[in-house]
Amino acid sequence: DAGITQSPRYKITETGRQVTLMCHQTWSHSYMFWYRQDLGHGLRLIYYSAAADITDKGEVPDGYVVSRSKTENFPLTLESATRSQTSVYFCASSDGGEQFFGPGTRLTVL
Amino acid sequence: AQSVTQPDIHITVSEGASLELRCNYSYGATPYLFWYVQSPGQGLQLLLKYFSGDTLVQGIKGFEAEFKRSQSSFNLRKPSVHWSDAAEYFCAVGGTNQGGKLIFGQGTELSVKP
Repeated sequence: DAGITQSPRYKITETGRQVTLMCHQTWSHSYMFWYRQDLGHGLRLIYYSAAADITDKGEVPDGYVVSRSKTENFPLTLESATRSQTSVYFCASSDGGEQFFGPGTRLTVL
Repeated sequence: AQSVTQPDIHITVSEGASLELRCNYSYGATPYLFWYVQSPGQGLQLLLKYFSGDTLVQGIKGFEAEFKRSQSSFNLRKPSVHWSDAAEYFCAVGGTNQGGKLIFGQGTELSVKP
């Protein structure tokens, strides 16, 4: 299906575990983004990518790692999950104009 | 500094009443402006956008917004609100020198009274 998808939609993990959130888009958009959304903080940019193999930090990158070996995929890895990383994570893509958002992943770190 | 301000955290309107959500921005160049809507448990959906041209833009679901450069504003309006419009609304600004990034406001939560 065309569009932007995220997996898993829901994830429960434990402190200290590694977790990878997947994002896939079918538009061949150059730009991809990861946000987290928490009550009282709105949307905060974690990492973004302007093209394959080009990534850069956003507002809140600590504790996260990204890669982009293919244009269509932009996985986000929490190397050692902490409770403060409990959040809803959104992936987005764009060609430089509006961003198109995925449905989100709700992550709970116990 | 570049920023987006949505002064109203929460607004309640009656069904059938008109709606205006405020958005003010600070941006050094010609802005691209966006309004997104987020229903509970969903991702963000684009309502409308302004890149250039006519400063009154029409969007989906009967929404419109007006770009006022002199006031650095991009307010969202709807003449008659429906119960299904209850959601959170985000204003965002971007531009050609932003590397595709958008700056989002904190959001306005809209409640609709029957």
